[in-house]
Amino acid sequence: KQEVTQIPAALSVPEGENLVLNCSFTDSAIYNLQWFRQDPGKGLTSLLLIQSSQREQTSGRLNASLDKSSGRSTLYIAASQPGDSATYLCAATGTASKLTFGTGTRLQVTL
Amino acid sequence: DGGITQSPKYLFRKEGQNVTLSCEQNLNHDAMYWYRQDPGQGLRLIYYSQIVNDFQKGDIAEGYSVSREKKESFPLTVTSAQKNPTAFYLCASSIEGYSYEQYFGPGTRLTVT
Repeated sequence: KQEVTQIPAALSVPEGENLVLNCSFTDSAIYNLQWFRQDPGKGLTSLLLIQSSQREQTSGRLNASLDKSSGRSTLYIAASQPGDSATYLCAATGTASKLTFGTGTRLQVTL
Repeated sequence: DGGITQSPKYLFRKEGQNVTLSCEQNLNHDAMYWYRQDPGQGLRLIYYSQIVNDFQKGDIAEGYSVSREKKESFPLTVTSAQKNPTAFYLCASSIEGYSYEQYFGPGTRLTVT
């Protein structure tokens, strides 16, 4: 059974800092890995999707990497801003075509 | 604007009553999903549908039912058999199956007392 873990559960950084969010998964046989953002009381916004054949994806200040062999993905946020404050979720799509979510990292970017 | 709509945003019900949550999408996606989110837990899959008139149980389907009569619509009924229905419910869709990016609606917060 796939398990997805995100560490840390919460993170507070000053504005302008570069940061890395971690996601690990137990079953390396995945189709893809997705990163989402969730604001309090809202739905999920898709940030990046990395297919199993890819090593990384970039969108603006965001860069996500995938290392299937070690069961890890990271989301790098450059030059963080207060507007980046949210919960970030990763989800792995397994061979059974099922999306397994981590519990998220709650990020706060302070002025 | 294309997207997924869920209504209502907040829903209150008495214990023992069935309640139906609406999910509509105009993205022309074939696949639709219902998830439940509880504090401190990851999203858990309730039901999913990859095509009209067909749907499959997810990890926590007990006490829930769905229908998929139209491509655009995937309503979820929370029945009185669901032991702990109070939660945040999220609907999602994707072009086809799981290997494609999923897009989420704004969610419905259900409170049962």
